[in-house]
Amino acid sequence: DQQVKQNSPSLSVQEGRISILNCDYTNSMFDYFLWYKKYPAEGPTFLISISSIKDKNEDGRFTVFLNKSAKHLSLHIVPSQPGDSAVYFCAASHLGFKTIFGAGTRLFVKA
Amino acid sequence: EAGVTQFPSHSVIEKGQTVTLRCDPISGHDNLYWYRRVMGKEIKFLLHFVKESKQDESGMPNNRFLAERTGGTYSTLKVQPAELEDSGVYFCASSRTITDTQYFGPGTRLTVL
Repeated sequence: DQQVKQNSPSLSVQEGRISILNCDYTNSMFDYFLWYKKYPAEGPTFLISISSIKDKNEDGRFTVFLNKSAKHLSLHIVPSQPGDSAVYFCAASHLGFKTIFGAGTRLFVKA
Repeated sequence: EAGVTQFPSHSVIEKGQTVTLRCDPISGHDNLYWYRRVMGKEIKFLLHFVKESKQDESGMPNNRFLAERTGGTYSTLKVQPAELEDSGVYFCASSRTITDTQYFGPGTRLTVL
């Protein structure tokens, strides 16, 4: 039973445009959500997070939106750059218990 | 500050053999996690150490997998005997506290033939 779902295996975006990566979760107990970025042959690196008490968190070109009623979060990258091409993982946890990851979305940013 | 390191980076073994993966966390990080990713699927939690104690091993697939963290520093994950379905990338991560950001190692790609 996959509690964190990323339904788009891949996404292709033109450089300079917005990239929107989506994530759905099923466990209403999750109170902390994260996005990790992964380049080939490297481990995932933390990108941005959001607590369930917020609905938006912004860090430079990256913004995460949380819609608790829909159990949905999204990562917006504006403007997208070729160096953003990577696999993005959505993850969720509850009170520091084990972190549950999605299957990832591969983002291609075309120059 | 050195990051999380894992050894080996790749391992190819035959079904029935034994393999031991090693993880060295960031110095001072009490929390150490093992994860596995199989062929484009989700990164699955295996277990969590706090210092040398197993805090949560609910993700361990079966008793062919044995994780240790003697002395609360580096950790090993042994698979014995290995099966075909054990193939995947094994990631280790560490964090200072249970709510801190987890820092991942580069992973060990295990192929069981």
